[in-house]
Amino acid sequence: DAGITQSPRHKVTETGTPVTLRCHQTENHRYMYWYRQDPGHGLRLIHYSYGVKDTDKGEVSDGYSVSRSKTEDFLLTLESATSSQTSVYFCAISDRSLRDNEQFFGPGTRLTVL
Amino acid sequence: AQKVTQAQTEISVVEKEDVTLDCVYETRDTTYYLFWYKQPPSGELVFLIRRNSFDEQNEISGRYSWNFQKSTSSFNFTITASQVVDSAVYFCALSGMVDYKLSFGAGTTVTVRA
Repeated sequence: DAGITQSPRHKVTETGTPVTLRCHQTENHRYMYWYRQDPGHGLRLIHYSYGVKDTDKGEVSDGYSVSRSKTEDFLLTLESATSSQTSVYFCAISDRSLRDNEQFFGPGTRLTVL
Repeated sequence: AQKVTQAQTEISVVEKEDVTLDCVYETRDTTYYLFWYKQPPSGELVFLIRRNSFDEQNEISGRYSWNFQKSTSSFNFTITASQVVDSAVYFCALSGMVDYKLSFGAGTTVTVRA
């Protein structure tokens, strides 16, 4: 299994507070992604990174920012959390050298914004 | 823009029945990847298969089989002789061959009753 961890795994916070989710990989893969999963929508891409300090927006990036200062870490920040950001967040990694271009997913973070 | 449609929201079958999950996609890319992922009740995302757009050969893996038809932009998934352990949400996904961003369908919940 690919070495991907997410922290925290569960978080409850209040509207208006900042929240940072961390994705950590031990595979030295180039690409990292943040998705959110909501009923009826499957997974939707928030932001992704194609290298250290190289990031780009995904389909649902409003209200989120990311940073990648090291290959192994990709941080997702909600500057001021809203109830609509209650979701399950998944991090994924991939690398062009991977056989079959598989994206490996982390275990997910369940975030509840009250 | 890429779009993946899984028209079936939920499917319920009795054990040993066959079940087919439909997936229709839209993309402007001439080359792309198609995927199926499984999400069991425990919540993790499990990679099942990846197909290249230039390889329309159907594939069978144990009780799983996939039918890729580029002419109808479909990538359907069949579970033969279903088992209770097949109960999960199944996602179809599509990515380009440059940045490997995944676009997911909304998912199909499969319930296999004993």
